[in-house]
Order: sequence, then structure tokens, then C-alpha cells
Amino acid sequence: QQQVKQSPQSLIVQKGGISIINCAYENTAFDYFPWYQQFPGKGPALLIAIRPDVSEKKEGRFTISFNKSAKQFSLHIMDSQPGDSATYFCAARNSNYQLIWGAGTKLIIKP
Amino acid sequence: DAGVTQSPTHLIKTRGQQVTLRCSPKSGHDTVSWYQQALGQGPQFIFQYYEEEERQRGNFPDRFSGHQFPNYSSELNVNALLLGDSALYLCASSLASAAGYTFGSGTRLTVV
Repeated sequence: QQQVKQSPQSLIVQKGGISIINCAYENTAFDYFPWYQQFPGKGPALLIAIRPDVSEKKEGRFTISFNKSAKQFSLHIMDSQPGDSATYFCAARNSNYQLIWGAGTKLIIKP
Repeated sequence: DAGVTQSPTHLIKTRGQQVTLRCSPKSGHDTVSWYQQALGQGPQFIFQYYEEEERQRGNFPDRFSGHQFPNYSSELNVNALLLGDSALYLCASSLASAAGYTFGSGTRLTVV
């Protein structure tokens, strides 16, 4: 019940396309859902986050869509650029303030 | 405004040794969490410190211990190192009442 399932494991998108990464969870006590971007050799950097009382949040080219009833949330990257190539992690915070992480998606944007 | 600072950046230790990793939180943050990230996997929560006390702990053995100092900086200690402890160790800071976590670049620990 503490798991966050992330898919796909890897994703190749053409420059200018839309990248979509999906996550699903079971624990209804999760109260905060961030997405992190991680480049090789670096720590994760917060991209965008959402709380369960909101269905969508947009920041620049990045959008989170949140479906509370389905217990799913997704990251959309519009107009994907080569500089977006990185590993993306979804996460969820439980009632003990712990971030539970997905397994990650390696995104490659082809020029 | 300095972010989260971790030291050292890389470390090689021998099996059975002990190691101490250090973290300075982002200015204004009072809570420090430690995560272990194995190659190709998502981070795993080790523990969190707030007001110099361990507030929460993940599923890690007692060989992993920590400390938080009055200036909110923190240390992670690992005793009796195993080959499987080789990983990137990440420190994240936050405000106790907020959900935004800022991560450092991590310490890459290699146990040989």
C-alpha cells in the first residue's frame, strides 16, 4: 500500500513532442505528489508538485494531471526539448512525512 | 542563497569500515531527511531529523544512524559497511510544516 508505481521505465520522444509519464498509488493518506527531475551524478530537483484537492497544475511546459478517484497522476512535458533528457521520478508523501518514490522513467528527447 | 550542501561528494570505503556523511540544509530549513539511491532505482527513505531528534525512520538496520546539530546540519553514519551499501546518499531539507523538499547532489559511496 506504500508503493508508487511508475510507467514507462523508459521513453523516447521527438523534439517538440509531448512526453507523458504515469504514476499510480494505493494509499489514500498520501497528501502531496511531487515530480522530480534527475540528471546523472546530481540529486533530484523538484519540477512541479500537486495536492490531492487539485485536478491539474501547470508550470510552463510542465503539467500534472491528478485523478483522485483513480489514484493516478501523470506528468506531461509539452514541446519536449533535448535538455529535458533526464530521469523523472514521481513521489508521494505519506502521513509520516516520508516521500515514497516511483522507480523512475528515463526520458530521451531525440533532436 | 545556498541550497543543500553535502560532503564529501565521493567516498570509497572497505567492507566492515564505518563512514560519516555530512549535510548542511538550505537556509531557513529546519528538517533534514536522508535517502539512499541505488543505481537505476528511486531513492529509499532512511530517516528524518527535526529539532535534533529522529522523527521518522524507514526500513534500514541500526547500522544506519544519524544526528542533527543545533544549526540544523546533519550527519549520517553507517557502521560495518557492506558491499550492498554502495549507493548515492541524498540529503533533503525542508521546513517542518511544509512539503517542499530540496535535495543536495549527494555523496557517492562505494564499498569495496
